[in-house]
Amino acid sequence: AQSVSQHNHHVILSEAASLELGCNYSYGGTVNLFWYVQYPGQHLQLLLKYFSGDPLVKGIKGFEAEFIKSKFSFNLRKPSVQWSDTAEYFCAVVPKAAGNKLTFGGGTRVLVKP
Amino acid sequence: DVKVTQSSRYLVKRTGEKVFLECVQDMDHENMFWYRQDPGLGLRLIYFSYDVKMKEKGDIPEGYSVSREKKERFSLILESASTNQTSMYLCASSPTRQGTLSGNTIYFGEGSWLTVV
Repeated sequence: AQSVSQHNHHVILSEAASLELGCNYSYGGTVNLFWYVQYPGQHLQLLLKYFSGDPLVKGIKGFEAEFIKSKFSFNLRKPSVQWSDTAEYFCAVVPKAAGNKLTFGGGTRVLVKP
Repeated sequence: DVKVTQSSRYLVKRTGEKVFLECVQDMDHENMFWYRQDPGLGLRLIYFSYDVKMKEKGDIPEGYSVSREKKERFSLILESASTNQTSMYLCASSPTRQGTLSGNTIYFGEGSWLTVV
């Protein structure tokens, strides 16, 4: 079975700082990759997804992620964070053969200080 | 906008009680899911359903069952609640059987916080 690792459980940074959240997965076949965000008190929302093509994908709110197949990684980045980016971020993977069964990482709580 | 509604946001139940968590989606989605979310463990899939009266086990089905009698409604049942089932439960839906294979997004509800004492 596949697994997903998010290396940082908590990240604290100041506004305008750059953000990078690591995500690695273990699965030998082809996968679809996702980043979800959960703002305080809100439901999980899709930030971005990678299915095929350009490995650098852009999502909502200025986020982007790069799929590096050789490293089994799908790191999330934002060049300049805002206080409103305070949230918990989840990486998720699904093997293309597995349809709907997403596997999530443990999540990273990000606190942006004003 | 797609809406996935979980009827109870906060519940407190006693050990041994039978617990029902209800979820309704309003977009005619075929697929529905139940996850539990725990700190440091992320989301773990309990059960999912591709169609009415169909269900499949996820990664952690023990202690849970589900019911899908109507397309829009997917219920999670704890037959005899235990303290280790204290958690946040998230319901989700997606529009086609292909699900993420065809690029469709999974939509989540706001979650149900269950405390078992």
